[in-house]
Parts: sequence; C-alpha cells; structure tokens
Amino acid sequence: DQQVKQNSPSLSVQEGRISILNCDYTNSMFDYFLWYKKYPAEGPTFLISISSIKDKNEDGRFTVFLNKSAKHLSLHIVPSQPGDSAVYFCAASATEDGNNRLAFGKGNQVVVIP
Amino acid sequence: GAVVSQHPSRVICKSGTSVKIECRSLDFQATTMFWYRQFPKQSLMLMATSNEGSKATYEQGVEKDKFLINHASLTLSTLTVTSAHPEDSSFYICSAGSKGRGTAYEQYFGPGTRLTVT
Repeated sequence: DQQVKQNSPSLSVQEGRISILNCDYTNSMFDYFLWYKKYPAEGPTFLISISSIKDKNEDGRFTVFLNKSAKHLSLHIVPSQPGDSAVYFCAASATEDGNNRLAFGKGNQVVVIP
Repeated sequence: GAVVSQHPSRVICKSGTSVKIECRSLDFQATTMFWYRQFPKQSLMLMATSNEGSKATYEQGVEKDKFLINHASLTLSTLTVTSAHPEDSSFYICSAGSKGRGTAYEQYFGPGTRLTVT
C-alpha cells in the first residue's frame, strides 16, 4: 500500500509564478519528510526536509509546510524558474529495527514555461 | 551534499546472464546503503537495505537469491542481478545514508543504472 501519495502527477507553471506540490501520508510514525528533485536518467537530488515537530522550513526559493494533523505537506517554489522543470518526489522517513527507511510518492512532473 | 557514484550507468545483457552494479560513496563513509528500483512513471521502490559488514535486509517480495547485495566496505556496495530476465529491466538506483542537517537522516542518491535484459 502506498504510504506516501502525490496526486496531480503533472503541473505546468509560468516562469516567475509559484509552484505548489502536495503530498499526503498515512503512517503517523514518520519523523522526517523530504523533497527530492529528479531529472530523467539521473538519481534524485535532495532539496529540503522538515522534521515532524516543525510546521515550516524555508531554504531560498523552497519552502515546505507540514500539517501533521492532516498528514499533509506541501512544497512551494517561488519564483519558479525553467531549471526547476523536473520530477519532484515527496519522501517520508521512519526508523524501524534500527534501519532508516524512506517511503516515496510517485512524483510530480513540473514544467516551468519561460 | 555528498557524492555517490554508480557504475555502469547503462548496461544491456542477455537473458540468463548476471550483472553487477557498483555503488560508491566518494566523499563520506556510508554505514548504510540502499538499493531502489524505479519503473517508468512510478515511485522509487526500496529493494533492500545494507549495513556495512552485515547481511542486507530485503523488502517483502524481493528475492534475495536473485538480487545479491554485498556491502564490503564503508564506501562500496554492489548489487548483482543473477540470471537476469527481461522483466528485470529497470532503472536501479542506490543511495548512501548519512546524518544530514540537524537530525535529518538524508540519503544521497547515485545517478542510477539503466538495465536492459534482452
């Protein structure tokens, strides 16, 4: 079963505008949430993370919001740039039996139109 | 961030043969390495977690005799796909685990290996 869900698989946004990506999760044991960016035929690149005890983390143009009661997080990219065109994966981290595991969503394709 | 390399980046092999994929952490010591598999337009599916010097922990549904994982050192893990079949064709990605910023446990991903079995 999919513990991390990303709906709306693709998003097109004009350069300079805001991109908002959403992510829902089901496991309340997740203690950290991360966003990764991925280009075709490359591995994911870490973007930003947030602890489950926080509700917001900002890093430059990227801000992640966490609503723990709704088991929902979102990534805001503002202003969007053409180089942001990629697939964005939401991931949630939990530690089980001493091993850390990441559960990934299916990803959102973002296209930034110049 | 940390650098993780994978070799080869792309491999084509015949059905029934074995293929080895290497994953190296270049600038840090990774006590834990992860192997993922990604099908087109799908999420990354964790196959197994390997801790240096011990046996890998495989996820449910992943055949450990088919996907052999060796984590011989703090900088190298290998995945061997044995007796490959066309359905094993996929994009395989490794990652190395490290304590990141704050208390985040961040995984640093390799560039992936595209395996095609003919």
